[in-house]
Amino acid sequence: DAMVIQNPRYQVTQFGKPVTLSCSQTLNHNVMYWYQQKSSQAPKLLFHYYDKDFNNEADTPDNFQSRRPNTSFCFLDIRSPGLGDAAMYLCATSRVGQGTRNEQFFGPGTRLTVL
Amino acid sequence: RKEVEQDPGPFNVPEGATVAFNCTYSNSASQSFFWYRQDCRKEPKLLMSVYSSGNEDGRFTAQLNRASQYISLLIRDSKLSDSATYLCVVYRGSYIPTFGRGTSLIVHP
Repeated sequence: DAMVIQNPRYQVTQFGKPVTLSCSQTLNHNVMYWYQQKSSQAPKLLFHYYDKDFNNEADTPDNFQSRRPNTSFCFLDIRSPGLGDAAMYLCATSRVGQGTRNEQFFGPGTRLTVL
Repeated sequence: RKEVEQDPGPFNVPEGATVAFNCTYSNSASQSFFWYRQDCRKEPKLLMSVYSSGNEDGRFTAQLNRASQYISLLIRDSKLSDSATYLCVVYRGSYIPTFGRGTSLIVHP
């Protein structure tokens, strides 16, 4: 089945130790998104890629970086995780273009714990 | 004013009840609107798009009121399995989404 896959599902890291989260998709969608969601809060958009074009939200901390080496894969790098970065990180994809509704499809998320 | 606002609830209703949620948005130029459902500790899943003329999918009806800048979701004949958080999503531009914080629904026997 076509889908959005995130690895790992659970990640534990130490304060300040870099961590990379991965997302892959078999939907061949042109847009990929990364969100941070904390308990009882809305998913917060961090950045997105439209094809290879990277778009950073204005309030995304510099501590967060992203890479999209090809259409199928996208990575979220947290350079120096703080306690406040503990959250669920959601990857989503969308096919954007003429005649599309642009709805998003989400992966299962990676739950990050920072010790 | 937040871009997208929802009453967090929780809405606590008995099985079989009809319940409605509203979501207001601030950007009058918004073009696309969706409702997502999110179960506890799971990812959001698309429930339905919201079309200008309103649309229905089984027990679910979505409406858009552009003049007052809100969308609504009506659930008829609530089931226990409808218990979840319902997220309103409004797009700025054609594909940049802003999520509301969600409305929690609890359906009890």
